[in-house]
Amino acid sequence: DTEVTQTPKHLVMGMTNKKSLKCEQHMGHRAMYWYKQKAKKPPELMFVYSYEKLSINESVPSRFSPECPNSSLLNLHLHALQPEDSALYLCASSQRRGYNEQFFGPGTRLTVL
Amino acid sequence: QQQVKQSPQSLIVQKGGISIINCAYENTAFDYFPWYQQFPGKGPALLIAIRPDVSEKKEGRFTISFNKSAKQFSLHIMDSQPGDSATYFCAASGGGGADGLTFGKGTHLIIQP
Repeated sequence: DTEVTQTPKHLVMGMTNKKSLKCEQHMGHRAMYWYKQKAKKPPELMFVYSYEKLSINESVPSRFSPECPNSSLLNLHLHALQPEDSALYLCASSQRRGYNEQFFGPGTRLTVL
Repeated sequence: QQQVKQSPQSLIVQKGGISIINCAYENTAFDYFPWYQQFPGKGPALLIAIRPDVSEKKEGRFTISFNKSAKQFSLHIMDSQPGDSATYFCAASGGGGADGLTFGKGTHLIIQP
């Protein structure tokens, strides 16, 4: 099973809302990633988790708060977002940090009003 | 500074033809070069990947050619089909403990029937 699942598929939120994105994988991977993808652009790395610990935060604003409750789950908590944060949010996983082969989920399409 | 340059930005190929997408990289520490295929509204799917110790890798209709001295690699899609119409991203990773993938800007490929 080489599947990464993400929920919800679509999310519309106001600038004062608090919402969360969820990612799950059952491949036994110990590294998980959040990427942000704007329309017609490549994915951009936001966070890297390795063995449930945050390894890399690519200077992402604090209104994005990642969480890794266990080795299979990755959450992204959203609060006080701006309209420019509207994008496709992608989760990916790999066997371990530094292992190159990354598998992506289908993404959550986020719209901030 | 863009570390992976991809061309062309868009490409139209007739059904049955060969689609060729090129990428060039700058960081000699990169040691893993994947290609991802992305359909609208979906996450990127790993298509094929290569490491610098080989000059060519073929999987079905997809071939990566790699030129280490020129720091270039390319994707060839043989017998291109309308179902191949998608956005293709080259990427690179490796070296210096880097975790995330550095993507090219993408190529929007259209296969005309």
